[in-house]
Amino acid sequence: GAGVSQSPSNKVTEKGKDVELRCDPISGHTALYWYRQSLGQGLEFLIYFQGNSAPDKSGLPSDRFSAERTGGSVSTLTIQRTQQEDSAVYLCASSLYGPNTEAFFGQGTRLTVV
Amino acid sequence: KQEVTQIPAALSVPEGENLVLNCSFTDSAIYNLQWFRQDPGKGLTSLLLIQSSQREQTSGRLNASLDKSSGRSTLYIAASQPGDSATYLCAVWQSNFGNEKLTFGTGTRLTIIP
Repeated sequence: GAGVSQSPSNKVTEKGKDVELRCDPISGHTALYWYRQSLGQGLEFLIYFQGNSAPDKSGLPSDRFSAERTGGSVSTLTIQRTQQEDSAVYLCASSLYGPNTEAFFGQGTRLTVV
Repeated sequence: KQEVTQIPAALSVPEGENLVLNCSFTDSAIYNLQWFRQDPGKGLTSLLLIQSSQREQTSGRLNASLDKSSGRSTLYIAASQPGDSATYLCAVWQSNFGNEKLTFGTGTRLTIIP
């Protein structure tokens, strides 16, 4: 595609429910990243996929968070038993080869937990 | 741990003026530095990528410089326009094996006064 695509753009969920956020990276990009931006805060790294290597999960805030990337393309970020503090904008990015190539971000998914 | 600082946090200038945004980072082991802009409620738009071996990059009215040894980058905007109003973020790619991710500054919120 022309750019990184994320869906849904907005998601409102009840506390305790599970949610799935989707990211379609730019075609051919081997690296994919998830970040979180809470209100008034900076961007917080969550997870990084590079090709077929094991992902860097060091930024996931708790075991309620998980992510997968199927076939080296689409990625899904899953949050189980959502809490109000999970409310944030979740941003996905991709780059051609990894950390020495330009990163392109999607428009984000705004998650609100009520 | 890499820390990225952007000063000032907010800046207002009259239309037509030239301006400089500052970014500093604590760990010089970086692949590159990338500048982004973020409009309210939107994702990040990549502006410029400077490789660690480069000193500067230019795109239109934007010029970004990098002094890796001193841990500093500047983004120069010439002849500012109201459409330049946004939050500007700098981010550095770590080159430490196993710690390859973008670390963001907290941004400078720029307002161009017509």
